[in-house]
Amino acid sequence: GDSVTQMEGPVTLSEEAFLTINCTYTATGYPSLFWYVQYPGEGLQLLLKATKADDKGSNKGFEATYRKETTSFHLEKGSVQVSDSAVYFCALNSGGSNYKLTFGKGTLLTVNP
Amino acid sequence: AAGVIQSPRHLIKEKRETATLKCYPIPRHDTVYWYQQGPGQDPQFLISFYEKMQSDKGSIPDRFSAQQFSDYHSELNMSSLELGDSALYFCASSPLSSYNEQFFGPGTRLTVL
Repeated sequence: GDSVTQMEGPVTLSEEAFLTINCTYTATGYPSLFWYVQYPGEGLQLLLKATKADDKGSNKGFEATYRKETTSFHLEKGSVQVSDSAVYFCALNSGGSNYKLTFGKGTLLTVNP
Repeated sequence: AAGVIQSPRHLIKEKRETATLKCYPIPRHDTVYWYQQGPGQDPQFLISFYEKMQSDKGSIPDRFSAQQFSDYHSELNMSSLELGDSALYFCASSPLSSYNEQFFGPGTRLTVL
């Protein structure tokens, strides 16, 4: 079945540091890939997505590239801010008639001033 | 812009009681998903509906049932509550034009005592 493995947290960085959160997946067919962010006490917000190989999703300075050859979708940001502190979830759906999301375990990011 | 509405936001129940969670999707969204997120866990897919018909089923206990009504809102009914049902329950909706994007509500936090 589908599965997502993402980097164990927590991750603690200083403001303006470079961020990478690794994510790899196993899926049947041609999945779409997503990064969701969850701020404390809030729901899940879609951060970015990519629907086919070599697509790059980007939003708010975050980027991730769909790498089919390495089955990866690593999240990166060049300069993090304190306001980026949150839990980040990598997720996929396998498409077809089935759009349910399968999530990774989540990575807690804390950015210190 | 309108978002997914969930009610109640918080719910406290005793063991063996029943609970009903409601979800109001974004207008013109015809698909609803339910997810359960245990403490410190990733969200797990429970069930989904498309045009008022169940479209997919995940790890939903037999004690739980759900439906989507003619106005597209959905209700998750939970009976014989157990301590382990304490979790954050998310509803998400997606539109006909973009099944690949799910918009999440703020969640209902259920506590079973």
